[in-house]
Amino acid sequence: DGGITQSPKYLFRKEGQNVTLSCEQNLNHDAMYWYRQDPGQGLRLIYYSQIVNDFQKGDIAEGYSVSREKKESFPLTVTSAQKNPTAFYLCASSILAGAENEQFFGPGTRLTVL
Amino acid sequence: GENVEQHPSTLSVQEGDSAVIKCTYSDSASNYFPWYKQELGKRPQLIIDIRSNVGEKKDQRIAVTLNKTAKHFSLHITETQPEDSAVYFCAAPDGTASKLTFGTGTRLQVTL
Repeated sequence: DGGITQSPKYLFRKEGQNVTLSCEQNLNHDAMYWYRQDPGQGLRLIYYSQIVNDFQKGDIAEGYSVSREKKESFPLTVTSAQKNPTAFYLCASSILAGAENEQFFGPGTRLTVL
Repeated sequence: GENVEQHPSTLSVQEGDSAVIKCTYSDSASNYFPWYKQELGKRPQLIIDIRSNVGEKKDQRIAVTLNKTAKHFSLHITETQPEDSAVYFCAAPDGTASKLTFGTGTRLQVTL
């Protein structure tokens, strides 16, 4: 399970504030992903990056932003435009870009917006 | 985009019985189908996957079957054990094979 980390584990923010979730990997993986997990809705893709300095929107990108300035880092910012930000956020990486490569997940960050 | 449906949402079996979880997908171009297991409080992990050039793949007590004509695939767990209790997610790639669409998950409870 080692190699991909997320911080913090729990995060509390007031409504209207932007918040940034950290995701780091030392696996030398090319691709990184951000998912949102809500009860009964599975894993929904927010953004993904196949290579440094490039990223694409997933299925629920509205209200989120990302950057990929370094291969090992893929931070996610939850902006005030996200209507229901309270959720469990999972970061993942794969050795190569493409859906047919195993994804390795981080431990997740639980965000609660008060 | 790809649409993946997963059933049932919850499944309770007695230890030693078999469990079957089914998924359907919409994009006929999809050719890779992984299954991830998420134990309580832990991160999802890949347990088995299948590519479209085979109809079945086994790994000890778990197996996955694929029917490309009907666009569905299933996870089979035999001789279930308490440690099989978890949420299981199926997934399928989008038409460009650049990302996965996950099913909504099945919570499997193995009772003693």
